[in-house]
Order: sequence, then structure tokens, then C-alpha cells
Amino acid sequence: DTGVSQDPRHKITKRGQNVTFRCDPISEHNRLYWYRQTLGQGPEFLTYFQNEAQLEKSRLLSDRFSAERPKGSFSTLEIQRTEQGDSAMYLCASSSTSGINSYNEQFFGPGTRLTVL
Amino acid sequence: AQSVTQLGSHVSVSEGALVLLRCNYSSSVPPYLFWYVQYPNQGLQLLLKYTSAATLVKGINGFEAEFKKSETSFHLTKPSAHMSDAAEYFCAVSVTGNQFYFGTGTSLTVIP
Repeated sequence: DTGVSQDPRHKITKRGQNVTFRCDPISEHNRLYWYRQTLGQGPEFLTYFQNEAQLEKSRLLSDRFSAERPKGSFSTLEIQRTEQGDSAMYLCASSSTSGINSYNEQFFGPGTRLTVL
Repeated sequence: AQSVTQLGSHVSVSEGALVLLRCNYSSSVPPYLFWYVQYPNQGLQLLLKYTSAATLVKGINGFEAEFKKSETSFHLTKPSAHMSDAAEYFCAVSVTGNQFYFGTGTSLTVIP
């Protein structure tokens, strides 16, 4: 399977703890996106990378959140000092900027469901 | 700024009946529009996309959508619903190809 993968699929943590999620995009994709999805809502954009450069961050991404993509391949999203409001599904997607209109198609991973107790 | 509005958070249809899921967009420039489907505990799967070519777009699983600029709409249809179509459907708009703005979703129930 060469789709987008995310790890872990589920994470339960206590308030105040730090958590880290990983996303492995489709191998030839140079763009990687993070979204947050809460119950009953559509995905909300958090940030995106082109290769290893983080090009855009949403105001939703507070200073407790940090994302990296050190080698332009996999990415990690870390949440420090988790709060109950951080409970959500965190989705990763990837896309390619090569090919006509190809960059407009984002392929999503299965998500990491975070529960903060 | 771009946004989408999905009218009807829940839609129920009988198996074999027409499926119509509504999406209206707001964009100051010509947008790219998408429909995604999400099954429980899974990520989003692209159904179809409009990228300024043909206004009637055909997607996977028999779904299609028509871009109507005058109505700022991109409604999703399928002539005959199957039980396997039961899922959450999201409409999304993008202008830059970077940020996607998603609607709040429509949950489709198919009644046998």
C-alpha cells in the first residue's frame, strides 16, 4: 500500500502530557498537510510543508503545537501540555506539485484520534 | 476568503433513490472544488474535483457534480443510492491549491 500512513491511529493521554504523531506521505509527494477534525465538523487546516519548508500555519496552530518535516519525507506533529480541547482527529494529507493540476488533489491518511483525559 | 456551506447535515434516502447533497461556495476568484467521502474511522477519499474544465464532473462510485457559477453551487448527485454509499460527505474549496476549506459535512443514510 503506497497511501498516506499515520501513526498511532489512536492516542489517549492525560492533560498536560506531550504527544507526537507521525505522518508518512505518498513517497513522490512533495507537499504535506496537517488538519484537525473535531466531531461534527469538517477538517480544519493547521499547516503545510513543501519539501522540508513549513510554508503556512493557521492561527489555530498555537505555540503548544509544532510540526516538522526534517528531510522532506515524513512529518511529525507535536502537541505540548495537552488540553482537553485538543481532543480531535488529526489528519495528514499529501500532494504533488508536478503535473497539471495535480497539486490540487490531496490524498488523506486515516488519521490519529487523540483523546485528552 | 473562501468558504463552503453544506445545506443539510443529515440526508436520508431510500436504496435506489436519487442522492442530492448540496454545496454552495464563496470565493472571490475562480475556485477549485472537491467532494470527499469519509467512512467511519477512516480518512477522506476524493470522490471528484472541478478544476475549471468541464462543468459536469464525473467521479468514482457513480457520483457526479455540476459546477454552476451563477448559483455558486457544486451539488453532488448519484442517480441510485446503494447501501454502501452511507458515509459522511464533505465539500471543499481551494483557490491556491494550498489551503483547503471544508464544509461541515453531510451524513448520508441509506434506508433499505
